[in-house]
Amino acid sequence: AQKVTQAQTEISVVEKEDVTLDCVYETRDTTYYLFWYKQPPSGELVFLIRRNSFDEQNEISGRYSWNFQKSTSSFNFTITASQVVDSAVYFCALSSSNTGKLIFGQGTTLQVKP
Amino acid sequence: DAGVIQSPRHEVTEMGQEVTLRCKPISGHDYLFWYRQTMMRGLELLIYFNNNVPIDDSGMPEDRFSAKMPNASFSTLKIQPSEPRDSAVYFCASTLGQGWDQPQHFGDGTRLSIL
Repeated sequence: AQKVTQAQTEISVVEKEDVTLDCVYETRDTTYYLFWYKQPPSGELVFLIRRNSFDEQNEISGRYSWNFQKSTSSFNFTITASQVVDSAVYFCALSSSNTGKLIFGQGTTLQVKP
Repeated sequence: DAGVIQSPRHEVTEMGQEVTLRCKPISGHDYLFWYRQTMMRGLELLIYFNNNVPIDDSGMPEDRFSAKMPNASFSTLKIQPSEPRDSAVYFCASTLGQGWDQPQHFGDGTRLSIL
């Protein structure tokens, strides 16, 4: 069975702090994709990043960075110098050819205070 | 480019009524997904289509739920009869490729309240 665990239900930081959102996944498939989505207070789901199981390179996009480690089945997301606009629910998700489905974690609510 | 369009944005209706949610996927996308989001269960996949054909409806909670995709640019999710426990945000998403290897693009959702 496939599973995504985001153990941090809520995180609260002060603006300009760095914050890391954890994601641990379970799958027996060798080919799979991992995703992060952002859900701001307005409610829409916004795609942030996709990573396939064969590419363990870390990725940086502006203040966002992602650390993929197959050895620990983790795909963590770090926001550097957080801003109030980063306040949202962040979802980690997993999909594979065997299931054909996107399995979401329960989400981490990030609150960035001014 | 237009994204995934869902209507209505909000729906409030009484228990027992039929509810129809609508979705227009991104033009050219051949996969369409319906999700439900609740506090208790998070984001759940209800059903998905490929080229207008339902592929997996194992997430549809009960026979009261049905989904159709009569053409590549339109899908509906119906609940009949509706119950208070159906209250949730329903999202539609679409994508290209094999469905599982590409990012899904979500609509803004329909917030459904059953009184």
